[in-house]
Amino acid sequence: GAVVSQHPSRVICKSGTSVKIECRSLDFQATTMFWYRQFPKQSLMLMATSNEGSKATYEQGVEKDKFLINHASLTLSTLTVTSAHPEDSSFYICSARDPQGDTEAFFGQGTRLTVV
Amino acid sequence: GENVEQHPSTLSVQEGDSAVIKCTYSDSASNYFPWYKQELGKRPQLIIDIRSNVGEKKDQRIAVTLNKTAKHFSLHITETQPEDSAVYFCAAGYSSASKIIFGSGTRLSIRP
Repeated sequence: GAVVSQHPSRVICKSGTSVKIECRSLDFQATTMFWYRQFPKQSLMLMATSNEGSKATYEQGVEKDKFLINHASLTLSTLTVTSAHPEDSSFYICSARDPQGDTEAFFGQGTRLTVV
Repeated sequence: GENVEQHPSTLSVQEGDSAVIKCTYSDSASNYFPWYKQELGKRPQLIIDIRSNVGEKKDQRIAVTLNKTAKHFSLHITETQPEDSAVYFCAAGYSSASKIIFGSGTRLSIRP
């Protein structure tokens, strides 16, 4: 079946640095991918929709200059957390739906970001 | 935009009993309603989904019902087992490859 792969699974970075997270669709081409953030014991909150070849669409309250999204190919979207602070520590997870297949959303493994 | 509300936030049932989780949605255009199970630190796993052209769907011990008029849908787990303990999320979206909005989650515990 369709698979979405996310890397890295865990990352620790210092305050003020930037971290890049990759999300790949392995079995299908995804014109859109979705980035979610999940704090402990909370739900998956949609941050933005990544659009291949164009600008990402950010949800209300999400800083586009802090969370940079690039979707340069039909199989890869990246999320860069810029100037990370401890409050950015969270579980980030991407998702994609095969436009040619069933409607199921496939999720990456998630990335546990810890900012120290 | 879409808003999904989910209840209860925690649920404890005796092993073998049934568990019911309820959700409501706000966007009447939503037509795809998946349910996910998430274990600690893992990605959400789809357990069942329903589209707006049907009112009920069942897969072994799991069933989902949908009331489009009232804009609510429910997950039913029968004959619960210890391995059913997890966090369950409902979600709503369109059947196209567009975004899905999640409910707040239900932590289900199965008592032996």
